[in-house]
Amino acid sequence: DVKVTQSSRYLVKRTGEKVFLECVQDMDHENMFWYRQDPGLGLRLIYFSYDVKMKEKGDIPEGYSVSREKKERFSLILESASTNQTSMYLCASALGLSGANVLTFGAGSRLTVL
Amino acid sequence: GQQLNQSPQSMFIQEGEDVSMNCTSSSIFNTWLWYKQDPGEGPVLLIALYKAGELTSNGRLTAQFGITRKDSFLNISASIPSDVGIYFCAGPGLNAGGTSYGKLTFGQGTILTVHP
Repeated sequence: DVKVTQSSRYLVKRTGEKVFLECVQDMDHENMFWYRQDPGLGLRLIYFSYDVKMKEKGDIPEGYSVSREKKERFSLILESASTNQTSMYLCASALGLSGANVLTFGAGSRLTVL
Repeated sequence: GQQLNQSPQSMFIQEGEDVSMNCTSSSIFNTWLWYKQDPGEGPVLLIALYKAGELTSNGRLTAQFGITRKDSFLNISASIPSDVGIYFCAGPGLNAGGTSYGKLTFGQGTILTVHP
């Protein structure tokens, strides 16, 4: 089974702090994604990557950046955390980029910004 | 951008009841996916639909790809307590040229609560 691991399940940070969310997948998938989940809004795509060092903006990239230095690892970075970035963050991976390919999600990282 | 409207937003039912939820899109889709998120976990794929009119079952779950390609339905029969969670529809949609966006758009989710 594909496994997507998010290293931090719960984080509490202060406004202005830099935040790193790490995600690792173990099935050699080319594509990795970061989503944000908020009640009533579903999952919204922040960034995705289809290859090492490649990245593309999703629907809500403002205030975020990403890094993909190795195929198995995709990091989400909040340069200066704000309270409106309090949310659940979900990482996912997929073998292909076409819409028919299935995303496998990690368990999520719940971030609270005070 | 594309939008998916999922309804109802939440459901409170008794164990043994059937459940129906649906999803509509502002644009046509060539694939519909239904995911379930258990409390404290990430979403997991339940059913994938690839053709208009397709009806697919997975145990007590049945999903349909609408003929117009702008909607999909998920039914759960004889609900049990472990059906509790959030159900999401998702799809890639197509742009004006008929090619896939290559990114999934998700609905807002339906929160299901099952009382024993």
